[in-house]
Amino acid sequence: GQQVMQIPQYQHVQEGEDFTTYCNSSTTLSNIQWYKQRPGGHPVFLIQLVKSGEVKKQKRLTFQFGEAKKNSSLHITATQTTDVGTYFCAGPDAGGTSYGKLTFGQGTILTVHP
Amino acid sequence: SQTIHQWPATLVQPVGSPLSLECTVEGTSNPNLYWYRQAAGRGLQLLFYSVGIGQISSEVPQNLSASRPQDRQFILSSKKLLLSDSGFYLCAWGTGGYRSNQPQHFGDGTRLSIL
Repeated sequence: GQQVMQIPQYQHVQEGEDFTTYCNSSTTLSNIQWYKQRPGGHPVFLIQLVKSGEVKKQKRLTFQFGEAKKNSSLHITATQTTDVGTYFCAGPDAGGTSYGKLTFGQGTILTVHP
Repeated sequence: SQTIHQWPATLVQPVGSPLSLECTVEGTSNPNLYWYRQAAGRGLQLLFYSVGIGQISSEVPQNLSASRPQDRQFILSSKKLLLSDSGFYLCAWGTGGYRSNQPQHFGDGTRLSIL
């Protein structure tokens, strides 16, 4: 079945340093979605990328979708303590009857030292 | 706007006891509904999904069952809990349809501890 791999599993940074997490799918994706889960909280949708090579920005966060639509990255510039949490990528199941199901990566746990 | 409610927030149950977790969605019709389990520090495992009333699909064999008695109500149940059922249970909804590619929106989750 479809697999979505995410690296690194953990990342510890000093406040102000940059952070990047990478996501790779075993299959071509129609879109890639990114979610953030704060400690003790639930996943919250951040963004969806649809086009090959697409780049989107949300303040200090930059999201990229690979040309082959099989990989993606999330880059945070100058991390802040509010960035702490687990970042997940997710891709829809392949096929025309996916019923909106998503395959989530294992997530990258980001800790930021002040 | 759409909202999703999930309860209880925390639950401590003895082994062998029954379970019922409830999730309701407001502000949308005919949503796709999902139950996930998340082990501590791990990813999200899809347990069940539903595209309509009475329509339940199971993703993994387990000790749990799900039901959708109303359009915007999704229930996760067990007749006899096992220690391995401990975890963080999340309900989510997405725009309905079998070809949906839309994001999912999660409830606050239930932390279930089995003693």
